[in-house]
Amino acid sequence: SQTIHQWPATLVQPVGSPLSLECTVEGTSNPNLYWYRQAAGRGLQLLFYSVGIGQISSEVPQNLSASRPQDRQFILSSKKLLLSDSGFYLCAWSRPQETQYFGPGTRLLVL
Amino acid sequence: SQQGEEDPQALSIQEGENATMNCSYKTSINNLQWYRQNSGRGLVHLILIRSNEREKHSGRLRVTLDTSKKSSSLLITASRAADTASYFCATRRGGGADGLTFGKGTHLIIQP
Repeated sequence: SQTIHQWPATLVQPVGSPLSLECTVEGTSNPNLYWYRQAAGRGLQLLFYSVGIGQISSEVPQNLSASRPQDRQFILSSKKLLLSDSGFYLCAWSRPQETQYFGPGTRLLVL
Repeated sequence: SQQGEEDPQALSIQEGENATMNCSYKTSINNLQWYRQNSGRGLVHLILIRSNEREKHSGRLRVTLDTSKKSSSLLITASRAADTASYFCATRRGGGADGLTFGKGTHLIIQP
């Protein structure tokens, strides 16, 4: 069966510091991968998606970037965090046009 | 842009009652999915309904889809305290590998 991992689970970072969140999927190959952000009390907003290694599509302009160095690894990064980057970050995988399965999420607090 | 909009935003019912949540969307879709999120946790997939389907069941869950009205409903029958969570609908546009567009969710509280 497939599993999706995210780490760290919680992160507190100062404004202006860099960020690296990692997501890995097991039990499947060539998945579509997604990064979402959820602000407090809100729904999820799609940030990036990827259909293959090195292929990244950005949905909204922002302070973040994504990379897919390996088939089942998706990384969310920032060079300099802003206060507005605080939120709950969720990674997901799917087969094209099928159900998306979400990881446990990373709660980021920027102070 | 915000696609799915759930209503009500919050719903509190007694254990054993049925809970109905609605979702409206604006553009044509390939499928619509319902998810549950317990406080501070990841999302759990409940049901996917395709644009050519009208109704789908899974255990105590029943989802309907009306593409002419661009709306969907999620019915939870015989509710339990463990059903307390936020429920989100998410739509997927046709073509490509683009992601889901989520509504803001309905927070459901089941009173014991």
